[in-house]
Amino acid sequence: DQQVKQNSPSLSVQEGRISILNCDYTNSMFDYFLWYKKYPAEGPTFLISISSIKDKNEDGRFTVFLNKSAKHLSLHIVPSQPGDSAVYFCAAYNFNKFYFGSGTKLNVKP
Amino acid sequence: SQTIHQWPATLVQPVGSPLSLECTVEGTSNPNLYWYRQAAGRGLQLLFYSVGIGQISSEVPQNLSASRPQDRQFILSSKKLLLSDSGFYLCAWSSRGTDTQYFGPGTRLTVL
Repeated sequence: DQQVKQNSPSLSVQEGRISILNCDYTNSMFDYFLWYKKYPAEGPTFLISISSIKDKNEDGRFTVFLNKSAKHLSLHIVPSQPGDSAVYFCAAYNFNKFYFGSGTKLNVKP
Repeated sequence: SQTIHQWPATLVQPVGSPLSLECTVEGTSNPNLYWYRQAAGRGLQLLFYSVGIGQISSEVPQNLSASRPQDRQFILSSKKLLLSDSGFYLCAWSSRGTDTQYFGPGTRLTVL
């Protein structure tokens, strides 16, 4: 039973445009939501997080939006750069445990 | 600053052989520790997590086991590897009561 889902396995975006990565969850008890970026053969690196009591958090080019009623969060990258090409995982946290989606592979074309 | 180490970086093992992967964290005390596996083309699957020495929670029934002999050391083991154990194994840590988790560099395990 997957509690965090990323339904788009891949996304291709032109450099300079906006990248929007989506994530859905089923458990309304999650406290925090996080986004990680992962290059091949490396561990994921933390990008940005949002508390369940907020609806938006911004850090530079990265913004995460949370819609609790829809149990949906998204990561916006503006403007997208070729170096952003990687696999992005969303995750949810509750009671010492982190639940990860299956990832979305982002390709930013120059 | 905190750092997390995993070794070995890559490992090729025959079916039926034992396994021991080690993870250590520096620069923090009493971390929560986690083992994940990423199979080819799949997401991150939580295998074990630990909130203290000797305290291990298993998330998925399998032929793997974990141990935490010291506060900042987490070990993933198997007595007999299966082909399906192949994957990318990641260790991670988080501070108690916080919401962010940090990952090690991972170990690529291939079982032949």
